[in-house]
Amino acid sequence: NAGVTQTPKFRVLKTGQSMTLLCAQDMNHEYMYWYRQDPGMGLRLIHYSVGEGTTAKGEVPDGYNVSRLKKQNFLLGLESAAPSQTSVYFCASSAPGQGAYEQYFGPGTRLTVT
Amino acid sequence: AQSVTQLDSQVPVFEEAPVELRCNYSSSVSVYLFWYVQYPNQGLQLLLKYLSGSTLVESINGFEAEFNKSQTSFHLRKPSVHISDTAEYFCAVKGREAGTALIFGKGTTLSVSS
Repeated sequence: NAGVTQTPKFRVLKTGQSMTLLCAQDMNHEYMYWYRQDPGMGLRLIHYSVGEGTTAKGEVPDGYNVSRLKKQNFLLGLESAAPSQTSVYFCASSAPGQGAYEQYFGPGTRLTVT
Repeated sequence: AQSVTQLDSQVPVFEEAPVELRCNYSSSVSVYLFWYVQYPNQGLQLLLKYLSGSTLVESINGFEAEFNKSQTSFHLRKPSVHISDTAEYFCAVKGREAGTALIFGKGTTLSVSS
């Protein structure tokens, strides 16, 4: 099992550009999450999904959109990147029910917006 | 709603010394508690968890944490640290109801030197 993978690992964008971050998991997990990690801020939840075709807002959703067209994939989109979105982005997944408490994380995507 | 406070942002220690990373939480409902570890340039990995039962939980690499309900704390301890324990440690809390999010503290950087 590859677990949770993220593409790309690094990206530099100019202000106003758009991009999509891809998260894939091969553990058949129902739940998937997108976080951003900033120095001294811990991890903050951007959006999450409790199943294929469903998404919900987290703590810091503004400026991001997500889609969950397939159970194994969760996409995070930035329509018009801003320097404030410079961050490390982590995807995670978890199983429902008793297993929902344990989240499995991808290796992260380091995004710089200039 | 839940919140997590990690009381120390950085903890420098010498190899083979004991260490305690402090975590306090607040919640109006019963919670699950977790410690995650992030090694440099990697994603987060679950270190240990408290779900129910014994208030003292242990990890495979010598860390332990004790759930103290009266003090709303979940401090992480290790009696003798190694250089390889150098990492960032995140305390996290999750409400027991389905659909509640995992809330992370801001992290504590443990630096072990020889």
